[in-house]
Amino acid sequence: QKEVEQNSGPLSVPEGAIASLNCTYSDRGSQSFFWYRQYSGKSPELIMSIYSNGDKEDGRFTAQLNKASQYVSLLIRDSQPSDSATYLCAVNVLAYNQGGKLIFGQGTELSVKP
Amino acid sequence: KAGVTQTPRYLIKTRGQQVTLSCSPISGHRSVSWYQQTPGQGLQFLFEYFSETQRNKGNFPGRFSGRQFSNSRSEMNVSTLELGDSALYLCASSREMNTEAFFGQGTRLTVV
Repeated sequence: QKEVEQNSGPLSVPEGAIASLNCTYSDRGSQSFFWYRQYSGKSPELIMSIYSNGDKEDGRFTAQLNKASQYVSLLIRDSQPSDSATYLCAVNVLAYNQGGKLIFGQGTELSVKP
Repeated sequence: KAGVTQTPRYLIKTRGQQVTLSCSPISGHRSVSWYQQTPGQGLQFLFEYFSETQRNKGNFPGRFSGRQFSNSRSEMNVSTLELGDSALYLCASSREMNTEAFFGQGTRLTVV
């Protein structure tokens, strides 16, 4: 089982719709969860972080976390063509010496059609 | 506020050579991590540095090494380059360990 799993997509939604991106993880001890957006040929850009169970909203983005189910999701409301990108779910896994590392899913490619 | 700066942006090297990549973190950030991104394997963790000490290491051979300086700037080195080392190498800085990580533009390494 991969440590962080995402549907690879592509996920295609019409402009103005809600895009729903999902992610599951295997390390029950993980406490920090992140969503990154990566445009083709660019580096990942942090768009959301979430640490507690429940929802966290920032503009058109809502991150949802359920630690019992080991599940993280990202909702994008009123999707725009400029949201077309690959969305990466990342989970911080702690090391024994307090260091950590981000484990990334393979990413979900989102395409928003005008 | 300046972001994470990586140099150089592009590199072409020959098999067997070595390469050094540089990363300057966001001002005030003390943790620097390195990642390798390839189409087949995605984003993979290489190592993390904090207070000039390597705190965590990924599953990469010993040819991959790094260091961090007292001003938090970091370098990574790859020796005896192989064709499979061709990738986008990304540096991320965080204020402290295990906090939000912000990526630089990356260094695109091509090994021929």
